[in-house]
Amino acid sequence: GQQLNQSPQSMFIQEGEDVSMNCTSSSIFNTWLWYKQDPGEGPVLLIALYKAGELTSNGRLTAQFGITRKDSFLNISASIPSDVGIYFCAGSGTYKYIFGTGTRLKVLA
Amino acid sequence: NAGVMQNPRHLVRRRGQEARLRCSPMKGHSHVYWYRQLPEEGLKFMVYLQKENIIDESGMPKERFSAEFPKEGPSILRIQQVVRGDSAAYFCASSETGRATQYFGPGTRLLVL
Repeated sequence: GQQLNQSPQSMFIQEGEDVSMNCTSSSIFNTWLWYKQDPGEGPVLLIALYKAGELTSNGRLTAQFGITRKDSFLNISASIPSDVGIYFCAGSGTYKYIFGTGTRLKVLA
Repeated sequence: NAGVMQNPRHLVRRRGQEARLRCSPMKGHSHVYWYRQLPEEGLKFMVYLQKENIIDESGMPKERFSAEFPKEGPSILRIQQVVRGDSAAYFCASSETGRATQYFGPGTRLLVL
């Protein structure tokens, strides 16, 4: 079955640093989504990507849909303490989204 | 514009009891998806429903689990005769069409004693 590898699994960074995380898939996706999940809450959509090569920004966040359609990355610039949480990538060929295992981000003030 | 609503937020059941989880999609959304999340893991697809129809239940256990999305009212995920291994967070998502972006509710955390 389809699998998503998300890395890194966790990271500690200093406030103000840039962060990069990525997801790779064993098969091609038509859509990549990036979500953030805070403890005790549901995932909140950050960025949606629909075309290979697409680069989209949302404030300090930038995500790209890899040209092979098998990978995506998310960058966070100038991190702040409220960026702490778990970031999930999700890929889909149709309506069924496959989720990565998450990147746990901790920001040190 | 209310988002996806789920209730209850927390549910405690003893082994053998039934659990009923409710999900009201965003206004204008007629597609509902249920996911399950174990601690320290990502979300796993369970079932996809449109109004009165189950489109894909390939991720849902064949026994004890059922889902519905009636013409009127919320979508219901029902777990009969719960076991400890059913303890997890269950999330509902909704979308406008089958291929549109999915928006998630806050989840129901089920604890089976």
